[in-house]
Amino acid sequence: NAGVMQNPRHLVRRRGQEARLRCSPMKGHSHVYWYRQLPEEGLKFMVYLQKENIIDESGMPKERFSAEFPKEGPSILRIQQVVRGDSAAYFCASSPRLLQGNTGELFFGEGSRLTVL
Amino acid sequence: KNEVEQSPQNLTAQEGEFITINCSYSVGISALHWLQQHPGGGIVSLFMLSSGKKKHGRLIATINIQEKHSSLHITASHPRDSAVYICAVGRNQFYFGTGTSLTVIP
Repeated sequence: NAGVMQNPRHLVRRRGQEARLRCSPMKGHSHVYWYRQLPEEGLKFMVYLQKENIIDESGMPKERFSAEFPKEGPSILRIQQVVRGDSAAYFCASSPRLLQGNTGELFFGEGSRLTVL
Repeated sequence: KNEVEQSPQNLTAQEGEFITINCSYSVGISALHWLQQHPGGGIVSLFMLSSGKKKHGRLIATINIQEKHSSLHITASHPRDSAVYICAVGRNQFYFGTGTSLTVIP
């Protein structure tokens, strides 16, 4: 049973290019979360998605960033016209259900490290 | 003020010592997570809890909802416990502490 799979693990882009990061949740998980970890900073929430729905995108920058989780296939975090400040580690996590109470499981991917030259 | 405060920021311990990492938060939560991040970046969820106490091997996590405080304890620490431990709280949106960097010396 594969864990949360993220790819690419490392991505280098020049300023102005597009970056696409993919996240395949664990089998049976319908909830996906994206987080960003800037160099020397803590993790920050970006977006929470369920299949075909964006539930909470309050942590997403208003411009250039978008996320989707289609009915089939992985969740995609897309960054258009990247800038140097987008260089960070982007982590995806998945859970089988809404996380609440004392039960629930959250599994993280290994992260995708984006470097913008 | 951050929504989630962790202490200490850095911690060095001798192998075998009992370790406590603290987390205080100011937001409403439905769950609190303790995460472990190793050098090179992979993140593992150690615990999720919203009340009481959980134990897994040498790790124990407690939470006091009234005081908005949680602690992570490591008994009989080992060098392989060296990592950054992160507290995260929230509902759908999670707020993260800045982490506690733990080094356990043999």
